[in-house]
Amino acid sequence: NAGVTQTPKFRVLKTGQSMTLLCAQDMNHEYMYWYRQDPGMGLRLIHYSVGEGTTAKGEVPDGYNVSRLKKQNFLLGLESAAPSQTSVYFCASGRGVDTDTQYFGPGTRLTVL
Amino acid sequence: AQSVTQLGSHVSVSEGALVLLRCNYSSSVPPYLFWYVQYPNQGLQLLLKYTSAATLVKGINGFEAEFKKSETSFHLTKPSAHMSDAAEYFCAVSDLGTGRRALTFGSGTRLQVQP
Repeated sequence: NAGVTQTPKFRVLKTGQSMTLLCAQDMNHEYMYWYRQDPGMGLRLIHYSVGEGTTAKGEVPDGYNVSRLKKQNFLLGLESAAPSQTSVYFCASGRGVDTDTQYFGPGTRLTVL
Repeated sequence: AQSVTQLGSHVSVSEGALVLLRCNYSSSVPPYLFWYVQYPNQGLQLLLKYTSAATLVKGINGFEAEFKKSETSFHLTKPSAHMSDAAEYFCAVSDLGTGRRALTFGSGTRLQVQP
């Protein structure tokens, strides 16, 4: 049981380049989330999904797109990376119950030069 | 909307000393509250959560937290710090009523444990 996995672990991009971050979970969770973590700001919600084929915006969605074609996968895309997107990105999943635990992946550290 | 505030971005204690990490919440409805820990270069791991069953919640690694409605607080404590407790700690509140079932996090407190 791997839980939540993320690829890649590290990536360096130049301004304007594009990339996709992949998140996979093997717990059959309906809900999946992408957060970004910046120093002194905690984690902020970028996008989320309440089930296969659905996506919705979180608090800081600008510059990102997502897709949930399969229940177990949630992709985060950056079409034209900017230095302001330098951050650590975490994927999480959960059953969609308010009292339930969210399970987090190990994170992707992205640097945009 | 729910929110949490963590007082103190850095806390330093001696090994064996009491650990106290502060979290205050704002919510118009009874909140569900969580404490997560992040060890260096790792993801977040749940320490404990309050879901209205008991006001004193015990978690992993000897941590506990007490929900105090009158003080709108959910402070995290541990009687005796170990070197292995050095990490960043996040308080979070569940987004009730939004349908997102997401978490709103505080800014985090980095705990240092001195030998």
